[in-house]
Amino acid sequence: EDKVVQSPLSLVVHEGDTVTLNCSYEVTNFRSLLWYKQEKKAPTFLFMLTSSGIEKKSGRLSSILDKKELFSILNITATQTGDSAVYLCGRNSGTYKYIFGTGTRLKVLA
Amino acid sequence: GAVVSQHPSWVICKSGTSVKIECRSLDFQATTMFWYRQFPKQSLMLMATSNEGSKATYEQGVEKDKFLINHASLTLSTLTVTSAHPEDSSFYICSASSPVSDKAVYEQYFGPGTRLTVT
Repeated sequence: EDKVVQSPLSLVVHEGDTVTLNCSYEVTNFRSLLWYKQEKKAPTFLFMLTSSGIEKKSGRLSSILDKKELFSILNITATQTGDSAVYLCGRNSGTYKYIFGTGTRLKVLA
Repeated sequence: GAVVSQHPSWVICKSGTSVKIECRSLDFQATTMFWYRQFPKQSLMLMATSNEGSKATYEQGVEKDKFLINHASLTLSTLTVTSAHPEDSSFYICSASSPVSDKAVYEQYFGPGTRLTVT
């Protein structure tokens, strides 16, 4: 089945903690995987991953794709309360379409 | 990054009426746009793929006669919820697809969403 599974579903941590969010999928041949952060409104773009093993970084966030093991992770170091959000992972299906997971709801406590 | 706008941001309508939602790509041309629906605490559910100048492709289980999609130009797609009912109340989000440089991959940029409440 062509689906994207994210884990954990929900996570509560304290400020300063490091978190790792997981995204796994079942199709081997695809072009790109996207990570988004969603607060109260529409998702905002974080990363696009196209190649296996190459880490992308943006500040305290980083992400990597493992096409052989069929997963991607999103790391957030030194978490802040502003990181509280739902993190969505979407895998490319076909040319333009993306299939999204249910998301991981992260809450960072002060 | 590319900017996508939606209008309106929030709409309340009576049961049985129709509502039109607009999605615009502001600084790029989007041959393909997508319409999603999101219920509270759930993920994005793709409703349809909107292609400029042709009919939309609907996902399984989405009624094409109820959710009319028009993609008349490279910067505008509209979703019309016809004869809306309370169960259509949801957060509707559009996205526009843009190619990444010369690669055969496409990024998706989301609009801010439209919250529809049907009373």
